[in-house]
Amino acid sequence: QLQLRESGPGLVKASETLSLTCTVSGASISRENYFWDWIRQSPGKGLEWIGSAHSSGTAYYSPSLKGRITISLDTSNNHFSLRMNSVTAADTAVYYCASEGPLFTWGQGTLVSVSS
Amino acid sequence: QLVLTQSPSASASLGASVKLTCTLSRGHSSNAITWHHQQPQKGPRFLMRVLSDGTHSRGDGVPDRLSGSASGAERYLTISSLQSDDEGVYFCQTWGTGIRVFGGGTELTVL
Repeated sequence: QLQLRESGPGLVKASETLSLTCTVSGASISRENYFWDWIRQSPGKGLEWIGSAHSSGTAYYSPSLKGRITISLDTSNNHFSLRMNSVTAADTAVYYCASEGPLFTWGQGTLVSVSS
Repeated sequence: QLVLTQSPSASASLGASVKLTCTLSRGHSSNAITWHHQQPQKGPRFLMRVLSDGTHSRGDGVPDRLSGSASGAERYLTISSLQSDDEGVYFCQTWGTGIRVFGGGTELTVL
């Protein structure tokens, strides 16, 4: 059964870089035609797509965040990562990783707070 | 521009049925969507994928009292025999080339 788990610091200072990892179990991230997503939810708000990486390695980013984010796959360790630079208080959110294949699978989410 | 529109709120009585709507923006009426449910203080859970012809495929463990359908640019989620656990926010999601979009969510209250 496919499972995803986010990990990373819960507190990041403003202007620094946020780095999160999503560890995948139950399937290879190289599995054909899967997308590996990062999604966030600011307090009291809806879901916001951050970006996705196709199993081929091609990445797609939200236009509103493009230029600040990088999503990469690590096939050796079967995980994928998010890096977001120049964070501000507006980036405080619960960050979810997810997979899109025949089904959609969510990680449990991890809260990242940006401090001044 | 790819946009999904959902009503902000809905309500129905315990044991009754409710039909939630997700509307695709102009030019995208052939898109499939996915439905997700988020209970208070929890992460989202995938419910099902709904195709433009109304065919739907549920996620693991999703009961068959939840069903999907479609008409034109609208995609529906029908929940029958409402239970208190059905409360929460229901999000729809779709995709285009290099992009994913979420609807704003419908908060369902079970009376």
